[in-house]
Amino acid sequence: GQQVMQIPQYQHVQEGEDFTTYCNSSTTLSNIQWYKQRPGGHPVFLIQLVKSGEVKKQKRLTFQFGEAKKNSSLHITATQTTDVGTYFCADPTGTASKLTFGTGTRLQVTL
Amino acid sequence: DTEVTQTPKHLVMGMTNKKSLKCEQHMGHRAMYWYKQKAKKPPELMFVYSYEKLSINESVPSRFSPECPNSSLLNLHLHALQPEDSALYLCASSQVAGGNQPQHFGDGTRLSIL
Repeated sequence: GQQVMQIPQYQHVQEGEDFTTYCNSSTTLSNIQWYKQRPGGHPVFLIQLVKSGEVKKQKRLTFQFGEAKKNSSLHITATQTTDVGTYFCADPTGTASKLTFGTGTRLQVTL
Repeated sequence: DTEVTQTPKHLVMGMTNKKSLKCEQHMGHRAMYWYKQKAKKPPELMFVYSYEKLSINESVPSRFSPECPNSSLLNLHLHALQPEDSALYLCASSQVAGGNQPQHFGDGTRLSIL
């Protein structure tokens, strides 16, 4: 079946360092969504990418969709402790909004 | 603040009990979802309702029974659960069912089966 893998599984950074998580799909994606889940919280929608090669920015967060639409990345510049959480990419497949989440990357930020 | 409200927040039940999880949204969304999330794992889709009709059942065991009484409410009835069913159960909604819709999640119900 369709798989969406993320690397790394876990990353621990010092505050102010950059962070990147990579999302790779075994199939071509029509679009991709990104969610953040804080510890003890629920997933919160961050952004959706639709076009091949698309790049979108939200303050310190930069999202990219690969040219072949099989991979995506999220880069955080100068991490802060508020960035702590698990970042999931997600594939919203087909017409029924069946959302398949990636394996997730857990980010820990310390002072 | 979440716009999708789930109750209860925590639930402990025995394997012979019957209980229900409730989910409510007042955003006018017409698609609602149940997910199961185990610790350190991504959410896994269980059911999708579109315009109050069940459109996806991801081969979920019959001890989980979803119900959508109206466009704002979604229930998950639980009966004869197993210890491996202990997890966080998340409800979500989106404007309509379709591949371009972001989903809004509730805080979840943390379920423990004794």
